[in-house]
Amino acid sequence: GQNIDQPTEMTATEGAIVQINCTYQTSGFNGLFWYQQHAGEAPTFLSYNVLDGLEEKGRFSSFLSRSKGYSYLLLKELQMKDSASYLCAVIRDYKLSFGAGTTVTVRA
Amino acid sequence: GAVVSQHPSRVICKSGTSVKIECRSLDFQATTMFWYRQFPKQSLMLMATSNEGSKATYEQGVEKDKFLINHASLTLSTLTVTSAHPEDSSFYICSARAEGGLAPVLEQFFGPGTRLTVL
Repeated sequence: GQNIDQPTEMTATEGAIVQINCTYQTSGFNGLFWYQQHAGEAPTFLSYNVLDGLEEKGRFSSFLSRSKGYSYLLLKELQMKDSASYLCAVIRDYKLSFGAGTTVTVRA
Repeated sequence: GAVVSQHPSRVICKSGTSVKIECRSLDFQATTMFWYRQFPKQSLMLMATSNEGSKATYEQGVEKDKFLINHASLTLSTLTVTSAHPEDSSFYICSARAEGGLAPVLEQFFGPGTRLTVL
């Protein structure tokens, strides 16, 4: 099965940087996704890591260490619109298993 | 880009009735669609995998006779919640996996979700 842990909530100031950690224990691994989800909406894709290392995409970066079962999502230059839930998800055989999500609140 | 639609976006029904939710891939063919359920402040939980032309595969703990899934074509999957009860009230989200591509694991696109409220 899958066991995916991430913090419940984080708060940061506009313009700052926030790092959301995710640890996982899984019986199989084909990659790790990060999604953003606003309340009442479907998740939107942010990043995908299958190999160790850092993937950078604009203000968002994601890191993976397969040996440690660890990933983080880094959000830079935070904007108010970044207030949302961020979901870490592990994929195995095309099935996604999600963590509970981290609610990020950006304050002015 | 790939678009997945769901209908209806919201539905309110009485306890004991059945509700059908449609998931459509609008501009691509989806041999596989997934149905998730999300309770307030919780994560998405995979309910079942819907395969075109064959029976759905349900996750452990999900009653297949209560949540009927039909994947009649490469662009449409339906989820019917039978004899709905208040505890079935939730946000139901589908996703569709496109065929082929260099990175097929990336090609899973989410619908906008359906908010079901059972009174």
